[in-house]
Amino acid sequence: QQQVRQSPQSLTVWEGETAILNCSYEDSTFDYFPWYHQFPGESPALLIAIRPVSNKKEDGRFTIFFNKREKKFSLHIADSQPGDSATYFCAASGQGGRALIFGTGTTVSVSP
Amino acid sequence: EAAVTQSPRNKVAVTGGKVTLSCNQTNNHNNMYWYRQDTGHGLRLIHYSYGAGSTEKGDIPDGYKASRPSQENFSLILELATPSQTSVYFCASGDFREDTQYFGPGTRLLVL
Repeated sequence: QQQVRQSPQSLTVWEGETAILNCSYEDSTFDYFPWYHQFPGESPALLIAIRPVSNKKEDGRFTIFFNKREKKFSLHIADSQPGDSATYFCAASGQGGRALIFGTGTTVSVSP
Repeated sequence: EAAVTQSPRNKVAVTGGKVTLSCNQTNNHNNMYWYRQDTGHGLRLIHYSYGAGSTEKGDIPDGYKASRPSQENFSLILELATPSQTSVYFCASGDFREDTQYFGPGTRLLVL
C-alpha cells in the first residue's frame, strides 16, 4: 500500500511563530502534493499544492518546501495566528487526477 | 455554484442492516471519491470512480460497495453494516486536469 507519512501528530505554537509540518512519501511516480486544512466540524479544503517541477511554493503565510531527492515535503505557516488552529493533512497523487493518498494529519494549535 | 452535497448528513444504523450514502456533485467532474475519516488514521480511500458506470477499489474497500449511475451521483453501500464502520464519510469530486479535490460536508454514521 502506498503511504504518505506525516509528523508531528500535534503541534502547539505561540502566535507569531512559524509552524512546521512534515511529510514523506514512497512512490516516486507521485507528482502532485497538496496540503488540506480542516476546521472542527467542517470538511477538508485545499490550502496549497506543489508539483515536483518546483521546490518551493508560497501563498501568503503558507509555504511548501519540496525535496524530490529525499521524497519529503513540508508546510511552513509563518506568523501563525489563532485562526490557523486546525488539522492539516498532506497528500500525494500520481498523474491524471488519480486518487489522493493522505497523511494522518497534524493538529495545530496556535496560542495567543 | 458548484458544490458537492451528501445525504444523509447523519445516520444511525443497526448491525447487519443495509446503509446507502449518497453524493451529488454539480462540478461536472469526471472523478469522484469516497473516504472515511477516523481519529489517528486521517482520510482513507474506500472507492473511487473515473466516470459514470465505473468504480475502482481504494485502500480499504472491504465491506463497502460503490455505484456511479451518472456523472453527478456516486453512492457508497454498506450491505451488512458493522460497528467498525462507524465513522465520518466524505465524498469528493475532482477533475484530471487540475487534480484538486472538492469535498462534501460529510456524513456521520453510527452503527449500533
